[in-house]
Amino acid sequence: TQLLKQSPQFLSIQEGENLTVYCNSSSVFSSLQWYRQEPGEGPVLLVTVVTGGEVKKLKRLTFQFGDARKDSSLHITAAQTGDTGLYLCAGAKAGGTSYGKLTFGQGTILTVHP
Amino acid sequence: ETGVTQSPTHLIKTRGQQVTLRCSSQSGHNTVSWYQQALGQGPQFIFQYYREEENGRGNFPPRFSGLQFPNYSSELNVNALELDDSALYLCASSLDRAETQYFGPGTRLLVL
Repeated sequence: TQLLKQSPQFLSIQEGENLTVYCNSSSVFSSLQWYRQEPGEGPVLLVTVVTGGEVKKLKRLTFQFGDARKDSSLHITAAQTGDTGLYLCAGAKAGGTSYGKLTFGQGTILTVHP
Repeated sequence: ETGVTQSPTHLIKTRGQQVTLRCSSQSGHNTVSWYQQALGQGPQFIFQYYREEENGRGNFPPRFSGLQFPNYSSELNVNALELDDSALYLCASSLDRAETQYFGPGTRLLVL
């Protein structure tokens, strides 16, 4: 069962274009993280969102947490070749047996062509 | 501030063997989580250690076991290796089981 579904799975765009990656679930999360991963390396944390409706901006990247804390989006403005990589969303649930466990989406592979 | 480190970087084993992977948490962090990432997939939670005790486990068989030491470094042990255990094994650290976790570079395990 895929608790977090990312779309699209693959994205190939030209430098300068805008893009949005979606992360959707039927479950409520206490927080959601976005990571970027290069081939053969560990995921690098981009942002954590914790409040429903929260919007965070990191230079050309804009992250939004849904009002119901079930979904999130990552928007990149004017993509650059250096943005190429695997983007992962990961949700955390507070309390109970899920405490401390991150549930990941399957990832979105972004390729930005020069 | 030292980040999360893992060793070895790569490992090749044969089916049925045992393997130990190591992780040093980020300076000041007392919680370590282990994840398995198969090729083309997102990481899957194996287990978490907090102050030397297991604090949650994912859907992995008992042949996956772990340990956390007083300095908060950690080991992941896998017995009776199977071909499907081939994956990137990631260690992540956090402070007091915080949901935001910081990952190491991973250990790439290949089981032949």
